[in-house]
This record gives sequence, structure tokens and C-alpha cells, in this order.
Amino acid sequence: GAGVSQSPSNKVTEKGKDVELRCDPISGHTALYWYRQSLGQGLEFLIYFQGNSAPDKSGLPSDRFSAERTGGSVSTLTIQRTQQEDSAVYLCASSTAQTGEGIQYFGAGTRLSVL
Amino acid sequence: AQSVAQPEDQVNVAEGNPLTVKCTYSVSGNPYLFWYVQYPNRGLQFLLKYITGDNLVKGSYGFEAEFNKSQTSFHLKKPSALVSDSALYFCAVRAPQTGANNLFFGTGTRLTVIP
Repeated sequence: GAGVSQSPSNKVTEKGKDVELRCDPISGHTALYWYRQSLGQGLEFLIYFQGNSAPDKSGLPSDRFSAERTGGSVSTLTIQRTQQEDSAVYLCASSTAQTGEGIQYFGAGTRLSVL
Repeated sequence: AQSVAQPEDQVNVAEGNPLTVKCTYSVSGNPYLFWYVQYPNRGLQFLLKYITGDNLVKGSYGFEAEFNKSQTSFHLKKPSALVSDSALYFCAVRAPQTGANNLFFGTGTRLTVIP
């Protein structure tokens, strides 16, 4: 398995519950990104991790969203007190380059449905 | 601010005919431009990128794109469309001069190749 792995592939939750989405990047990739893809819209940047540097959280839509990356590898995106507008596909990507030229490799995503 | 416009939500083309998927961008400084393709229930797959150099970039599956600085465009093209090219196509831009490493995506264009 050389690709970016995301789990679960689908998640159905009730409004107000917390959810955790997991991303396992390609081995050796230092950069990791989370995006959100809503129906009829493009991908919206959420957060970016690069090595041991402080993450770029500028895209997180509210303080209900948080993410961490443990040991420079696996990342978890947490959404607290989910709302119906959080329903979307959450995509994770990883890349090797810091300079911005690097290709981002995407996982298949987690489809989140908030009832 | 960076932005990407894909003016066509849907493009239909007959198999064997040339195809064009349009993209225009707005960014400060010199852009890094990317095209990705998304098949159903799959993550985004990289097609090609422009960083610098020759304005005509060749990528995977016979696709190519031409960077036009004066028109701020980066249209995706293929000389002869295949039914298997039917998918959702995203144009993306990165503005390295801003220090941001994330990609800004267009809203996507759904390409349908008719047999």
C-alpha cells in the first residue's frame, strides 16, 4: 500500500457528536494537508503540516475543527459538536517538497454525513 | 488573494474529438499551476503541473495544458478524447510568493465523453 490511506471511508453521525477522521500519509512524505470537498464546490483548504513546524491552521472554519499529527506521520482531524453543514468529503494529501513545487497525493477521502 | 475559475461546470465531447477544459487564475506573483482528475469515489489524481519554463506542459494519459500569462489561463487539452476520460477535473494554483503551500482549487468541471 503505497498511497495515502484514509479511514473511515464513510461516517454517519448525529448532530452534536464529535468525530475523528484519520489519515495515513505516504511513507517519507513530510507535508500533510487536509481539504474539504462540499457538494458543488471545489476543495477548501483546512490545515497543513510540515515536519515539526507549527501547522498552518488558517483554513479551519471554526474552533470546532482541530487536527494533530503524531510522530510526523499519521494525522487525525477532529470535528467537535458536528453540524449539518459539516457534511462533506474530507480529503487528505501528502507530498515530499517544502517549496510548493511538490505534487500532492490524495487519499480517497472520508465522506461525512451529519444527520 | 488567490483564486481559480473554471467557467464550465460541464463539458460534453464526442469520443475521438479534441477536448478543452478551461481554467483562469488570479494570484500575486508567478503561479504554480496544477490539474487534477477525480474519478467516482476516488481521491484526486495528479495530471500535470506548470512551475516554470516551457508554456506547454505534457502530462499523464495524453493530456497537456498551456500556460498563458497574458490571459492568466491554464486550459487543459487532449487531441482525441476517450470515454474513459469522463471524470471531474480540477484546476489548482499555488502562490509561492505568499508563503502558502496549500493549493487553491477551482470548483471543478465534469467532463463527459460520449461514445
